[in-house]
Amino acid sequence: ETGVTQTPRHLVMGMTNKKSLKCEQHLGHNAMYWYKQSAKKPLELMFVYNFKEQTENNSVPSRFSPECPNSSHLFLHLHTLQPEDSALYLCASSQAPGQGNYGYTFGSGTRLTVV
Amino acid sequence: AQTVTQSQPEMSVQEAETVTLSCTYDTSESDYYLFWYKQPPSRQMILVIRQEAYKQQNATENRFSVNFQKAAKSFSLKISDSQLGDAAMYFCAYRSHSGNTPLVFGKGTRLSVIA
Repeated sequence: ETGVTQTPRHLVMGMTNKKSLKCEQHLGHNAMYWYKQSAKKPLELMFVYNFKEQTENNSVPSRFSPECPNSSHLFLHLHTLQPEDSALYLCASSQAPGQGNYGYTFGSGTRLTVV
Repeated sequence: AQTVTQSQPEMSVQEAETVTLSCTYDTSESDYYLFWYKQPPSRQMILVIRQEAYKQQNATENRFSVNFQKAAKSFSLKISDSQLGDAAMYFCAYRSHSGNTPLVFGKGTRLSVIA
């Protein structure tokens, strides 16, 4: 375990379902991130939160809705997804800008399959 | 914007041999951090090694070392005495010192280790 926990590990959902991915870190980090990793594509940054404030939304469709209630928790709410949204969703955390730059700590990811 | 290029989609190495993975990057900044991450089939992204750009000395972590050529903007990873457990995707990543921009990843190199 790296200190970043993602649940669930696997998720299968229909296109009309609503589900949420959860990420939790207890590393004292103040920045959290959602990445999408599809087969044969580079890692895609989706959202960035610094001190609970969203600082980056990388043109992500509105069917993905992030929520960061505090610096330790990050959610990704999913609704009316498409089959092409099937991917590995990775959460990461780090020190916020200006507080050290030692890279990111990642969770194990949620493997999402949209049917 | 910064970019990271990994020109080798796949590499293979015999067990106990040495392999070098290539990474080049493009930036106009003078102070930044570089990282190598490993992603085994378990999906966990693990930090292998990091390098601060202001340090001339190449970073080493046990069997892992880097060849950092700042002028050439090159950051290769050398794995010595390769082990079966080294088989994974390896990602090179860049982050500016200010940390105002998220980590930028290359597309990855898949390393196979042959027994």
